[in-house]
Amino acid sequence: NAGVTQTPKFRILKIGQSMTLQCTQDMNHNYMYWYRQDPGMGLKLIYYSVGAGITDKGEVPNGYNVSRSTTEDFPLRLELAAPSQTSVYFCASRWRGGWETQYFGPGTRLLVL
Amino acid sequence: RKEVEQDPGPFNVPEGATVAFNCTYSNSASQSFFWYRQDCRKEPKLLMSVYSSGNEDGRFTAQLNRASQYISLLIRDSKLSDSATYLCVVLHPGRNNNDMRFGAGTRLTVKP
Repeated sequence: NAGVTQTPKFRILKIGQSMTLQCTQDMNHNYMYWYRQDPGMGLKLIYYSVGAGITDKGEVPNGYNVSRSTTEDFPLRLELAAPSQTSVYFCASRWRGGWETQYFGPGTRLLVL
Repeated sequence: RKEVEQDPGPFNVPEGATVAFNCTYSNSASQSFFWYRQDCRKEPKLLMSVYSSGNEDGRFTAQLNRASQYISLLIRDSKLSDSATYLCVVLHPGRNNNDMRFGAGTRLTVKP
């Protein structure tokens, strides 16, 4: 099992550009999450999904969109990149049953200039 | 006030030392608590859940004090490999219990 994979590993965007951060898990987990981590800060929840076709906002959803068309994939879309979105983005997934099954992907480092 | 607060450190300790980290949380309705470990430029990994009765996993002991809204992590006999940032995590009682709130982390460096 690859676990949770994220692409790209690193990206530089210009202000106003758009991009999609990809997240895939091969553990058949129902629940998936997107977090961002700013330097020296804790992770903050952007969006989450409890199953295919179901998504909901987290603590900091502004400027982002998500979709969940399959169990495996949970892409995060940035429509108009802003410097405030410079961060490390982590995707995570888990079984419905418990948080002990939550695994994170390796992260995507995004720099918006 | 931040929802989850930790002493940022850094804690610099010699091998074999015992070190304790503290964490406070502001939402008294929070029900689930965790410690995660994050190595430099890596993803967080679950270290242990924190139960009301306290729990131990080898050299690691976690305790919860609901009355004071306080969580602790004790590491005994520190190893070089324990060097990392330790994140206190609280499950916020909203969003159908899908909203984890992370502290900013406490950085530990264990030296030979």
